[in-house]
Amino acid sequence: NAGVMQNPRHLVRRRGQEARLRCSPMKGHSHVYWYRQLPEEGLKFMVYLQKENIIDESGMPKERFSAEFPKEGPSILRIQQVVRGDSAAYFCASSPRTGLLSGNTIYFGEGSWLTVV
Amino acid sequence: KNEVEQSPQNLTAQEGEFITINCSYSVGISALHWLQQHPGGGIVSLFMLSSGKKKHGRLIATINIQEKHSSLHITASHPRDSAVYICAVDSNFGNEKLTFGTGTRLTIIP
Repeated sequence: NAGVMQNPRHLVRRRGQEARLRCSPMKGHSHVYWYRQLPEEGLKFMVYLQKENIIDESGMPKERFSAEFPKEGPSILRIQQVVRGDSAAYFCASSPRTGLLSGNTIYFGEGSWLTVV
Repeated sequence: KNEVEQSPQNLTAQEGEFITINCSYSVGISALHWLQQHPGGGIVSLFMLSSGKKKHGRLIATINIQEKHSSLHITASHPRDSAVYICAVDSNFGNEKLTFGTGTRLTIIP
């Protein structure tokens, strides 16, 4: 059973380009969470999705950032018109069908490191 | 003030020492997680606690809900335990988003 798969692991973008980060949750998991870790800072919640639904996007910047988790395929975190301040590690995590509040643990991917030059 | 505070920020110890990392939080929670972030960056969930104590190998995690405090202990520490240990709380009932401490960087010297 493969773990949470993220790609790319490392991504370099010039200012103004778009970055797309992909996350395939563990098999059987329908809850996906994205977190951002800025250099020398702790992890911060960005968005929580279930299949075809954004449940909580309170941690997402209001502009340029969007996330989706379609019926088929991986979850995508999209950052448009990237700026240097977007350089960070972006972690995806997943949990089983009943989510964290039912006592399930959370499984993290290896992270995607975005560098904006 | 952060909702989740960890101490110490950095800890260096000799191989074999007993290690304690502390986590205090200021909000009501449904669960607390201890995570390990490897030098390469990947994150592994070590424990999820809502009460009492859990043990896995050389790792022990405890939580005191009344005092809003949790500890992670490592017995017979080993250089491979060197990592950043992160405390995270599920502080929003019905909301399922984690709030993280800034981590404790542990270095075990052979």
